[in-house]
Amino acid sequence: KAGVTQTPRYLIKTRGQQVTLSCSPISGHRSVSWYQQTPGQGLQFLFEYFSETQRNKGNFPGRFSGRQFSNSRSEMNVSTLELGDSALYLCASGLPPDRGQTGELFFGEGSRLTVL
Amino acid sequence: AQSVTQPDIHITVSEGASLELRCNYSYGATPYLFWYVQSPGQGLQLLLKYFSGDTLVQGIKGFEAEFKRSQSSFNLRKPSVHWSDAAEYFCAVVAQDKVIFGPGTSLSVIP
Repeated sequence: KAGVTQTPRYLIKTRGQQVTLSCSPISGHRSVSWYQQTPGQGLQFLFEYFSETQRNKGNFPGRFSGRQFSNSRSEMNVSTLELGDSALYLCASGLPPDRGQTGELFFGEGSRLTVL
Repeated sequence: AQSVTQPDIHITVSEGASLELRCNYSYGATPYLFWYVQSPGQGLQLLLKYFSGDTLVQGIKGFEAEFKRSQSSFNLRKPSVHWSDAAEYFCAVVAQDKVIFGPGTSLSVIP
């Protein structure tokens, strides 16, 4: 079974630009979560989607948005990029804990965003 | 509010030495508990998980963890560390419908 696939793996943008990151979950997984990881802030939850609906959201500004498609693939978008948005963005798929599952997450390798 | 703490930001051990990484959680009910490992530049990989039953759980790569309800802890252990174990380790708890991660412990291994 293929794992979680994130694209692109690396990208460089300049301040003010926008970026879209893609995540393909493990087949059969309908929940996709996004995390931002930086050396200073650690692993921070962005949002979670299940069946095309956003279920949970972290404390990030509105510049960070996401969506999920009917095939469970997900995208996240960051508009008006700032230097502080440089980070590793991780996507994870799984079976939500409130639907009789355990909440175990399967992570992709991440998309490394550098903002200049 | 639910939370996970990992008191040790960074730990250094010699290869072959034993290891214990601490994790404490705050949650009213018995949660689902996980340990994940992240190698440099990679995503997180599940090491082991606890849902119920035996409080000592075995995971991959020779790791084990013990759930202690009275201490709200889920510490990770390994009897003999290998150089390849150098990585970041995250404890996580599922509370209601959310997965909450601890801040992580960075492990360095001295040859």
